Amino acid sequence: DQQVKQNSPSLSVQEGRISILNCDYTNSMFDYFLWYKKYPAEGPTFLISISSIKDKNEDGRFTVFLNKSAKHLSLHIVPSQPGDSAVYFCAASERETSGSRLTFGEGTQLTVNP
Amino acid sequence: EAEVAQSPRYKITEKSQAVAFWCDPISGHATLYWYRQILGQGPELLVQFQDESVVDDSQLPKDRFSAERLKGVDSTLKIQPAELGDSAMYLCASSPYRDKISTDTQYFGPGTRLTVL
Repeated sequence: DQQVKQNSPSLSVQEGRISILNCDYTNSMFDYFLWYKKYPAEGPTFLISISSIKDKNEDGRFTVFLNKSAKHLSLHIVPSQPGDSAVYFCAASERETSGSRLTFGEGTQLTVNP
Repeated sequence: EAEVAQSPRYKITEKSQAVAFWCDPISGHATLYWYRQILGQGPELLVQFQDESVVDDSQLPKDRFSAERLKGVDSTLKIQPAELGDSAMYLCASSPYRDKISTDTQYFGPGTRLTVL
């Protein structure tokens, strides 16, 4: 039972353009969502998060949007840079009931071409 | 900048052998997690410690896997005997999380890549 799904295994964009990574979830109890970035041979690095009481959170070039009714979130990167090329994982938790346990999606490989 | 340390970085073993992985979390972090990431999938939680106590090991295959954090600091994850399907990246993470209602981020180590032949 895949509770967090990232349906696009890969995404390729040109430098300077917008990258949009999508994530869907099925568990309505999830109340906190995170995005992690992973380079080869390294562990995932926290990027940005959003609580279910918000619909948008912005940090520099990164913005996460949450649509609770659709159980969908997306990560926007503007402008995209070659250094953003990595695997991006969406993760979710039920902080009210299960604390900090994270459920991850499968990941999306982003490639930003110069 | 403080980091989560893991060793070894790579481990090759034959099936039926025993393997052990070590993790040293960021100093002061109360919560420690072990995840397994199979190629092409996201990390999956194996076990979560709060200080020295296990708070979630529901996904840990207890017939062959064991984990301990005796003094509430560093931790060891063991597999005995290893099977071919155990080949994966084993990730350790830590967070200062103490309260259930927390925005604390999990910080990951570089992982141990296990290959079982």
